Amino acid sequence: AQSVTQPDIHITVSEGASLELRCNYSYGATPYLFWYVQSPGQGLQLLLKYFSGDTLVQGIKGFEAEFKRSQSSFNLRKPSVHWSDAAEYFCAVEPPGSQGNLIFGKGTKLSVKP
Amino acid sequence: KAGVTQTPRYLIKTRGQQVTLSCSPISGHRSVSWYQQTPGQGLQFLFEYFSETQRNKGNFPGRFSGRQFSNSRSEMNVSTLELGDSALYLCASRGVDTQYFGPGTRLTVL
Repeated sequence: AQSVTQPDIHITVSEGASLELRCNYSYGATPYLFWYVQSPGQGLQLLLKYFSGDTLVQGIKGFEAEFKRSQSSFNLRKPSVHWSDAAEYFCAVEPPGSQGNLIFGKGTKLSVKP
Repeated sequence: KAGVTQTPRYLIKTRGQQVTLSCSPISGHRSVSWYQQTPGQGLQFLFEYFSETQRNKGNFPGRFSGRQFSNSRSEMNVSTLELGDSALYLCASRGVDTQYFGPGTRLTVL
């Protein structure tokens, strides 16, 4: 079955430190890959997406993600975290032809220490 | 361009009642998906509509239904509410290749 794994439930980093959030997916072919962010009580905001081509993709708010086919991973990174980045981050995949069905990981909650 | 809007933002219902949630997609988008978000199960796909037709459905009981109108606005309905239906219900509007989410409707079932 298709699945998305975010192994870290909760991560705490200091403001200004670098960040990497992990995401692994299980699917035969390369699906469309997404990272979304959710602030408390809010909907999901798209950070970035990967469909094909360059495996390093840039997103909003200074985030980037790298697709590694050999590891079935799509990890999210930011070189310097700001206090406003505290939120929950979701990795999602859309298998080709799935018609609007995004499969989400369980999410990683990011806390930022001053 | 205006984003995805969902109404109402908050709802409180009692067990056995039914509820209807509404979603207006981004102008020009014809696909609308619905998701349920709970602390235990996370984000789960309910169904997807395109041009008034349901194209895909998740693994939810028949109490969960939806429809889409000719202007692409969509509604979802939950009948005979159960305590476990308490959740954040998110609607997503799909453009060419990406889903954009609304703020959600927080449903509490007492």
